[in-house]
Amino acid sequence: QVQLVQSGAELKMPGASVTVSCTASGYSLTAYFLHWVRQAPGQGLEWMGWIRPETGGTNYAQKFHGRVTMTRDTSINTAYMEVSGLRSDDTAVYYCARDPYDILTGAPYGLDVWGQGTTVTVSS
Amino acid sequence: DIQLTQSPSFLSASIGVRVTITCRASQGISHYLAWYQQKPGKAPKLLIYAVSTLQSGVPSRFSGSGSGTEFTLTISSLQPEDFATYYCQHLNSHFNFGQGTQLAI
Repeated sequence: QVQLVQSGAELKMPGASVTVSCTASGYSLTAYFLHWVRQAPGQGLEWMGWIRPETGGTNYAQKFHGRVTMTRDTSINTAYMEVSGLRSDDTAVYYCARDPYDILTGAPYGLDVWGQGTTVTVSS
Repeated sequence: DIQLTQSPSFLSASIGVRVTITCRASQGISHYLAWYQQKPGKAPKLLIYAVSTLQSGVPSRFSGSGSGTEFTLTISSLQPEDFATYYCQHLNSHFNFGQGTQLAI
């Protein structure tokens, strides 16, 4: 069964950093792009960036440049996203999602498999 | 960045009716558009990609169309399980989402 399993909820102080993990099962992490999306309480979806696990290449939303780092460990089929300098408005559910984008043809396929979400709460 | 604007933001409808949600892009985005459904407390679910291609397992009452800067998601006959929030997303460069459309009874 293809799925993405994320790490558990986190409570962090303002100014701290948090790392959320996303482990792929049922497929090889390196076969697809992986995106990170967040959703603040009662708000819409906000795209944060992607990582291409095969190469480690990344593309971040401008808003998160310098504060978000996406990495991966292909030996354990796991991707990571670190957010530094946490603020109260970083309180959100963070999702990872798979993207079967075809590099050769440029064909888009959307984000077809999502993790269950990780709640990150930033509070003093 | 390309911005996506959905309309309406809130839609009230009854079982069995046809509903349409619009997504307008700030510039042309070719076929790089997807639609998602999200229910409270759940991850989004991919419904349609490349403007009009139905994701495997999604009921055929969902359809997508459009080109250039204007796109639509249509549900031909609303079912009780369709009441949710719907988002469009640009599938290139920076993968921005629309602000969402809440569909309620």
